Amino acid sequence: ILNVEQSPQSLHVQEGDSTNFTCSFPSSNFYALHWYRWETAKSPEALFVMTLNGDEKKKGRISATLNTKEGYSYLYIKGSQPEDSATYLCALSDSNYQLIWGAGTKLIIKP
Amino acid sequence: DGGITQSPKYLFRKEGQNVTLSCEQNLNHDAMYWYRQDPGQGLRLIYYSQIVNDFQKGDIAEGYSVSREKKESFPLTVTSAQKNPTAFYLCASIGLAANNEQFFGPGTRLTVL
Repeated sequence: ILNVEQSPQSLHVQEGDSTNFTCSFPSSNFYALHWYRWETAKSPEALFVMTLNGDEKKKGRISATLNTKEGYSYLYIKGSQPEDSATYLCALSDSNYQLIWGAGTKLIIKP
Repeated sequence: DGGITQSPKYLFRKEGQNVTLSCEQNLNHDAMYWYRQDPGQGLRLIYYSQIVNDFQKGDIAEGYSVSREKKESFPLTVTSAQKNPTAFYLCASIGLAANNEQFFGPGTRLTVL
């Protein structure tokens, strides 16, 4: 059974600083790793889907990497802005499109 | 606009009552999912359906029921057998030809009084 751990649980970052957080998993037996952003009062929004060891994806100031051999993915935010405040969810999917979710990292950007 | 709608946004229920949460999508997605979210926990899968008239239990299906009579609709009934129903419920869908990206509705917050 896949188990997805995210750390830290919450994070306070000064506006303008860069930050990163982690999604870890014990096995490479999954189809894809997903990152979602969940802002308060909105629906979770997909950020990245990664499938291969060494994958790197970027969207604006946000990027993600995947290391399936060591069982982790990092999400990086460069030059944090107040609009980056959200909960960032990591999930693993199998070939049957089932997602196993981590508990999320709550990011709060301090102006 | 294409998307997923859930209603109502907030729902209050008395103990012992069944209640049905609505989920509709116009994305022509094949698969639909119901998740429950509790504070400090990840999304937990209640039920999912990959095709009309077929659905499967997720990790926490006890006390819940679903139907999938139409591709667009996947209502969730929270029955009186669910011991701790107060939670935030999210519906999601995915096109099986897509890269596993799930699209989410805005959620329903259920409170049992």
